[in-house]
Amino acid sequence: EVQLVESGGGLVKPGGSLRLSCAASGFTFSSYSMNWVRQAPGKGLEWVSSISSSSSYIYYADSVKGRFTISRDNAKNSLYLQMNSLRAEDTAVYYCARGRPLDPWGQGTLVTVSS
Amino acid sequence: DIQMTQSPSTLSASVGDRVTITCRASQSISSWLAWYQQKPGKAPKLLIYKASSLESGVPSRFSGSGSGTEFTLTISSLQPDDFATYYCQQYNSAFTFGPGTKVDIK
Repeated sequence: EVQLVESGGGLVKPGGSLRLSCAASGFTFSSYSMNWVRQAPGKGLEWVSSISSSSSYIYYADSVKGRFTISRDNAKNSLYLQMNSLRAEDTAVYYCARGRPLDPWGQGTLVTVSS
Repeated sequence: DIQMTQSPSTLSASVGDRVTITCRASQSISSWLAWYQQKPGKAPKLLIYKASSLESGVPSRFSGSGSGTEFTLTISSLQPDDFATYYCQQYNSAFTFGPGTKVDIK
């Protein structure tokens, strides 16, 4: 069964940092591009970042460029999102998702940025 | 950047109704459009990709059409399990989601 499991969310103060992880199983992780998408409470979906299968191509939404870094470890079947200089508006559930289009999605991990 | 719009934002319907949701892109995206269903507290689920291709396991009452800048998602006969929020998404250039259409019970 294809599965994505996010972890690493939590409460962090404005200006702080957090690293999210996404553990993949049930498919050949190294063959797929991977993505992070977020959803603020009660709001719609917002694409955050994408990384190609070999990490050659990386893209960010303007709202996180320069603050967030996406990476992957194909040997560990894992995707990461390093989030620095966090702001209140980064508060959201963060999902990892496979490929283009996005399928499947993980269950999400909640990041709350608040003092 | 490509912008996506959806209409309506909310749709009230009854079981058995035919439901249509429209999605428009700010520039041509060919057929690089997907539709997702999201229920409260759950992750989105892919329904349709490449504008009209039904994802495996998705009921055939769901269908998609369109190309270029205008697209539609149709549910031929609304079922109780279909009350949810639906998002379109372009994947021609990076990703952009529409604002969503909530389908609720009339």
